[in-house]
Amino acid sequence: KQEVTQIPAALSVPEGENLVLNCSFTDSAIYNLQWFRQDPGKGLTSLLLIQSSQREQTSGRLNASLDKSSGRSTLYIAASQPGDSATYLCAVRDYTGANSKLTFGKGITLSVRP
Amino acid sequence: DAGVTQSPTHLIKTRGQQVTLRCSPKSGHDTVSWYQQALGQGPQFIFQYYEEEERQRGNFPDRFSGHQFPNYSSELNVNALLLGDSALYLCASSSPGDGNTEAFFGQGTRLTVV
Repeated sequence: KQEVTQIPAALSVPEGENLVLNCSFTDSAIYNLQWFRQDPGKGLTSLLLIQSSQREQTSGRLNASLDKSSGRSTLYIAASQPGDSATYLCAVRDYTGANSKLTFGKGITLSVRP
Repeated sequence: DAGVTQSPTHLIKTRGQQVTLRCSPKSGHDTVSWYQQALGQGPQFIFQYYEEEERQRGNFPDRFSGHQFPNYSSELNVNALLLGDSALYLCASSSPGDGNTEAFFGQGTRLTVV
C-alpha cells in the first residue's frame, strides 16, 4: 500500500527566502507525481506534474524534482512571497496506469512572513 | 475555458439524511474522480468514473455511490449520513486516454453533518 509523507507539517519563513518542501513515498513503482497548492477551505490547484521517466519540471519560480529510486520528490520555491502562503500537497499516481488513483500526503502548510 | 466546477459550495445536513453533490469536468476531460478531505488531512480517493461506469473504488462503504452522465458530469451520493462524513468533497477530472493524466480539481463542496 502506497504511503506518502510530507514533513514538516508546517513551515514559516521570511519573505525572499528560497525554500524546499519534501515529499516521500513508500512504493517507487509510480506512474507520475503531482504537486498541488491548496488555499484555506478551497480546492486544489495543480502546480507541477512529473512523469516517472522525468527528473524535474519547472514553472516560473517553482521547480520540482523526482528521485523514484529513493522514493522522494522536492518542490523548490525561489524568492518566496507572502502570496505563496498556502498548503502544498504532493500526490503519486500508482504504477497501474494513467487512470489510477492519486495517493496524497497530508500537506505542508507554508507561511511566508512579510 | 471553464475548469472543474462543483455544486453546491456548502451544505449542511442532518445525521441520517441523504446528500447529492455534483461535478462538471474540465472541457475535454472524460474521467471523473471523487475525493474526501477531512480537516488537516490529505484527500482520500472515493471512486472514479469513466464511460458512465465506476472503474475504481477506494475504501469507502456502500453508502457512497455515484453516477456519470453522457456529458461526463458526475454525481456523488451519500446515504444515511454520519457525523464523520463531514468533510470537503473534491472532484477531479482528467483524460488519461488522451494522454492528459494531469488531474484538475474543483473548488470542493464543504459538507457539514449535524
